[in-house]
Amino acid sequence: DIRMTQSPSSLSASVGDRVTITCRASQSIGTYLNWYQQKAGNAPKLLIYAASSLQTGVPSRFSGSGSETEFTFTISSLQPQDFATYFCQQSYSTPPITFGQGTRLDIK
Amino acid sequence: QVQLEESGGGVVQPGGSLRLSCAASGFTFRSYGMNWVRQAPGKGLEWVASIWYDGSKEFYPDSVKGRFIISRDNSKNTLYLQMNSLRAEDTAVYYCAKVVKEAFRGAYYYYMDVWGKGTTVTVS
Repeated sequence: DIRMTQSPSSLSASVGDRVTITCRASQSIGTYLNWYQQKAGNAPKLLIYAASSLQTGVPSRFSGSGSETEFTFTISSLQPQDFATYFCQQSYSTPPITFGQGTRLDIK
Repeated sequence: QVQLEESGGGVVQPGGSLRLSCAASGFTFRSYGMNWVRQAPGKGLEWVASIWYDGSKEFYPDSVKGRFIISRDNSKNTLYLQMNSLRAEDTAVYYCAKVVKEAFRGAYYYYMDVWGKGTTVTVS
């Protein structure tokens, strides 16, 4: 199975900050990488698919990049509603579908 | 609008069974694969089961294989998860999710673009 490892596991930041989260795959997955946002008590929400494609309706301050084994997710200017947990998920070798352990982003 | 709504969660004793349902609306249900994904309290996301658009193939991780069965009724726009021999470690919020298969950059990409709000299963 492909293991996905996110870093950091948690992060404190302020409104207006630029934030970057890294996701590493245990083997090459091309650009078969998705990013989800989950706010407390809510279902996950798709933000980015195919490593860098923004889902319809998602603000442009969110972006993704990377390929093969290393990927980054960036919020260019943090907004109050962005405080949440973010998960990466590989879709290269499925099944099984595997997720990163999550990165919790909270207010500094 | 596109919507998924889970139901059927509850409290069950270890070794018991439960059937979850996921009602779909706002899209052509029979055209999409579907997943179940769960989240134990305070933990991350774990894939539980997948089914093709026509129900012809099912996939499970080892953690639930032989105990859980995913199925669908395309005439009722409903996805199911039959859970048997439940264990304490199956305690979680269970989400159903719609799977998009998109042709892009000369390949097919898969992602879950719509999720239900989840239903809680407690095994105790």
